[in-house]
Amino acid sequence: QQQVKQSPQSLIVQKGGISIINCAYENTAFDYFPWYQQFPGKGPALLIAIRPDVSEKKEGRFTISFNKSAKQFSLHIMDSQPGDSATYFCAARGTDSWGKLQFGAGTQVVVTP
Amino acid sequence: DAGVIQSPRHEVTEMGQEVTLRCKPISGHDYLFWYRQTMMRGLELLIYFNNNVPIDDSGMPEDRFSAKMPNASFSTLKIQPSEPRDSAVYFCASSIGGSDYGYTFGSGTRLTVV
Repeated sequence: QQQVKQSPQSLIVQKGGISIINCAYENTAFDYFPWYQQFPGKGPALLIAIRPDVSEKKEGRFTISFNKSAKQFSLHIMDSQPGDSATYFCAARGTDSWGKLQFGAGTQVVVTP
Repeated sequence: DAGVIQSPRHEVTEMGQEVTLRCKPISGHDYLFWYRQTMMRGLELLIYFNNNVPIDDSGMPEDRFSAKMPNASFSTLKIQPSEPRDSAVYFCASSIGGSDYGYTFGSGTRLTVV
């Protein structure tokens, strides 16, 4: 079963808009939550990551919001650009499976000009 | 560092043939992962190694799949015999266990079995 549930499956946003992708998990042993970005023909690449001791992390136009009590985290892409069009994966790593990431199903984001 | 290097980039083979995919991880990384990506199933973890030792191969679909890591700088994923349903993009990734640097993925091998 998928340990990290990601939604939506796809997203279309206009240039300048905000893209929001949500993920939920059950395993309380998860202690590290990265997001990966994948362009067609390429492997996923680490975009931004957060640990559960903070509620928000921002890097440029990308922000992770983390709600430990709800076991949810989300990626916000501010001022979305056509170059942000890609597939985004959330993931989680548990202290009970050191080194192994559980990936969400992915969200395809299309930013229209 | 050149990153994680996978070869070949593309492979087209006939059903029943043996296929070998290769991966060179980043030097110093102690974890190596093999993933398969399809539209239907997304990213599936097939197997991963820690310090060249297989840790979890529960994702390997069948006995037709096997993986080895003879040393810290090389791993192979072999499919024999190959079937059309094995067609997918296969990714290798490496990482430093427990670090927050995450995985570094290779560019993948697109396998087509006809």
